[in-house]
Amino acid sequence: EIVMTQSPATLSVSPGEGATLSCRASQSVSSNLAWYQQKPGQPPRLLIYGASTRATGIPARFSGSGSGTDFTLTISSLQSEDFAVYYCQHYNNWPPWTFGQGTKVEIK
Amino acid sequence: EVQLVESGGGLVQPGGSLRLSCAASGFVVSGHHMNWVRQAPGKGLEWVSIIYSGGSTYYADSVKGRFTISRDISKNTLYLQMNSLIPEDTAVYYCARDGAAGHWGQGTLVTVSS
Repeated sequence: EIVMTQSPATLSVSPGEGATLSCRASQSVSSNLAWYQQKPGQPPRLLIYGASTRATGIPARFSGSGSGTDFTLTISSLQSEDFAVYYCQHYNNWPPWTFGQGTKVEIK
Repeated sequence: EVQLVESGGGLVQPGGSLRLSCAASGFVVSGHHMNWVRQAPGKGLEWVSIIYSGGSTYYADSVKGRFTISRDISKNTLYLQMNSLIPEDTAVYYCARDGAAGHWGQGTLVTVSS
């Protein structure tokens, strides 16, 4: 099973500032990596797939990068609606398609 | 419009069974990989199971041998049969479409408790 490790667990950011979230896989997942945003009481929302492709309707301030084992989600200028928990997930080859433990982005 | 609606959750005693349903509209379930993902209260997301468009199925180790994923093409519905439930199975269960899941249901809560 591939283990996905996200860092940091919590990120305190002021509105308008940028944020960088990391995700590391225990073995290569190529570019088969997705990022999700989740707000309380809601299902996850797909932000990024293929490590760097924005999903439909996702603002350009969200960008993803990386391949193999190291990935980054960057939010260029946080808006009030961006404060949430972010998860990475691999979907490489065979399941289980594990998630990272999440990074909470909170208001500083 | 793609829509996924889960149902079937509720309170069940340890050792009991439940069958979750995920009714799909706007697309054909058998044409996509369909997942179940769960989230225990206050915890992160846990991938549970998948049925590929071709029909192959896979499970997380934590549910293997106890849960069964299936689909009914005539009803365009995904199922998760959950047997031998334990308290650690308490979670909101979501169905989600595809590997990079762009479509999720709202979830159904399963509580395993005596």
